[in-house]
Amino acid sequence: QVQLQESGPGLVKPSETLSLTCTVSGASITSHYWCWIRQPPGKGLEWIGYVYDSGSTRYHPSLRSRVTISVDTSKNQFSLKLSSVTAADTAVYYCARAGGGRPFDSWGQGTLVTVSS
Amino acid sequence: QSVLTQPPSASGTPGQRVTISCSGSSSNIGSNSVNWYQQLPGTAPKFLIYSNNQRPSGVPDRFSGSKSGTSASLAISGLQSEDEADYYCAAWDDSLNGFWVFGGGTKLTVL
Repeated sequence: QVQLQESGPGLVKPSETLSLTCTVSGASITSHYWCWIRQPPGKGLEWIGYVYDSGSTRYHPSLRSRVTISVDTSKNQFSLKLSSVTAADTAVYYCARAGGGRPFDSWGQGTLVTVSS
Repeated sequence: QSVLTQPPSASGTPGQRVTISCSGSSSNIGSNSVNWYQQLPGTAPKFLIYSNNQRPSGVPDRFSGSKSGTSASLAISGLQSEDEADYYCAAWDDSLNGFWVFGGGTKLTVL
């Protein structure tokens, strides 16, 4: 059974870069699509982007200029970097798996990232 | 403002059947499958329905999905107290080189 676990700082200063890592166990990161999704407090879900095929990426149009998702196959991990953050980027960030016609079939527990000075 | 439109709330009594709608456009629901997720308070979303009407293993058959044109629905029959949660629809949108879109979520209350 695939398991995903997010890790990274819970507090980021405005204008800095948010960095998170998702560690995958029970599945190879060289298959499927590996996604980041966020949820601002009290609000709905927003897809950020995904990495697949060991390095190809696709991002949400509204975040494309600030987002980088990468993969480390040696550690079975993938990462999110979001630059120039503001308070609007405060959210619970989830990593999730998609592919095989089953989008977001497994999720990490989520990690709250607060943007504040 | 979410790309897919869901009612913010829905309610029902135990044993009742409730439906939650999800409205989109030709670039998303009109041309791609709809998927549904259940989010219990304080937890990550759970994979509930995929490809419009398919249930992953372990999801009770009380949950069912359907799609017609640019709209989709999630139905829950035999409502139980543990069904109280937020429900989200999602679909691929073909515009702007393609991206995933979600509905704003529907909070289901079991009275």
